[in-house]
Parts: sequence; structure tokens; C-alpha cells
Amino acid sequence: DGGITQSPKYLFRKEGQNVTLSCEQNLNHDAMYWYRQDPGQGLRLIYYSQIVNDFQKGDIAEGYSVSREKKESFPLTVTSAQKNPTAFYLCASSLLSVAEAFFGQGTRLTVV
Amino acid sequence: GENVEQHPSTLSVQEGDSAVIKCTYSDSASNYFPWYKQELGKRPQLIIDIRSNVGEKKDQRIAVTLNKTAKHFSLHITETQPEDSAVYFCAAPKFNDYKLSFGAGTTVTVRA
Repeated sequence: DGGITQSPKYLFRKEGQNVTLSCEQNLNHDAMYWYRQDPGQGLRLIYYSQIVNDFQKGDIAEGYSVSREKKESFPLTVTSAQKNPTAFYLCASSLLSVAEAFFGQGTRLTVV
Repeated sequence: GENVEQHPSTLSVQEGDSAVIKCTYSDSASNYFPWYKQELGKRPQLIIDIRSNVGEKKDQRIAVTLNKTAKHFSLHITETQPEDSAVYFCAAPKFNDYKLSFGAGTTVTVRA
């Protein structure tokens, strides 16, 4: 069953803690992305990567970090430096061409 | 990235009526324009896309039109049904870029 999988679906974080969101794809896509979704603000790009061991900042990278050690995996760490981390986080992947992006089912992060 | 503006932000229609969402983009060389549908709590999924070499594309009750001169494209949903209620996002890449920029989204509510 091909696709892109995020885990966990729900995540609770205490203030001051770092948390890592998982994203795995078996679509053989080179490009992977992390978006943050807040009500009324659409999808804002956090980080993206087009090749293993390389990634670039998106529009709202502050307080986040990523790694791309394998083509299939692109985990996102929400650090304590992110002042307002409560949001819905979406991972996506695509080919390195102008084409469809495929999304994971999302992780809802709540700071408690 | 590409600057994509989407209107309206909310749209309420009577079941059976049509719904139209419009997006404008900034890069005149952009050549791919997808539309995504996101049901409550779920992942965005591609419903239709159009490339710059055509002006209109239809798939059953949905259609997308593209006006390259004016740099805008629109989603048309005819004979709306309750299951059309969702958030719809338009997107566009900058020319020769694989990375999509998304509009802020339109929340469509179909009243029974």
C-alpha cells in the first residue's frame, strides 16, 4: 500500500519540551515538505527537502528543525523556541517536477 | 515562492446551486494549477488540476478555468451536494519550481 504516513495523529507537549513528528513515504518521491495549518491561514511551508542530507527553510522555519537521512523519511522537530506550536502539521511529498503533492494524514500538536 | 491569493475565504451555497472559487497568482510563467479538497480533520487531496496549455478542464461536476492573461484560475462546482462541504485550496508553483505555494483556503458549506 503506497503512500505517505505521519505519526502520531495526536501529540501533546509540555511547554519547554522538544517533540518530533514522523513522516515516512514509500512513493519514491525525491521532494518532501512540512506545512503548518492554522485556522484561516492555509498551508504555510516550514521546511522542504529535495535530496537526502539537504533541506531548505520555508516561510516559517523559526523554532523548527528537520533531517533527511533517508529518502523515505523527513522528521520534523518542534523545539522549545517555537512560541506558538499548537497547530495541525502536514507532511507532503512529490516528484522533482511540476506535479501533484501527496499529503500525509496530519499530526495535531497541542501544547499543554 | 509564488504569491497566490484566494477568494472568498468562506462560501455558503444552497444544495444544487453552483460554487465558484477564484485564485490569482503572481508569476506569469507558472504552468501548473492544482486544486485540493480537505474534509474536516483529514488530509488535503487533489481533486483537479490544469496546465497552462489549456484553458478549461472538467471532471464530472467540477471544472477549472485558467486565464493566463489575467493570471487567475477558478474552481467551479455545479449541482453542489452536502459532501462538497470542505476547505478548498488552490496552488501554483513558480516557473520551473516543483514547490507549490497555496492559497489561504475557502471553506465551502452546502446547505441542505
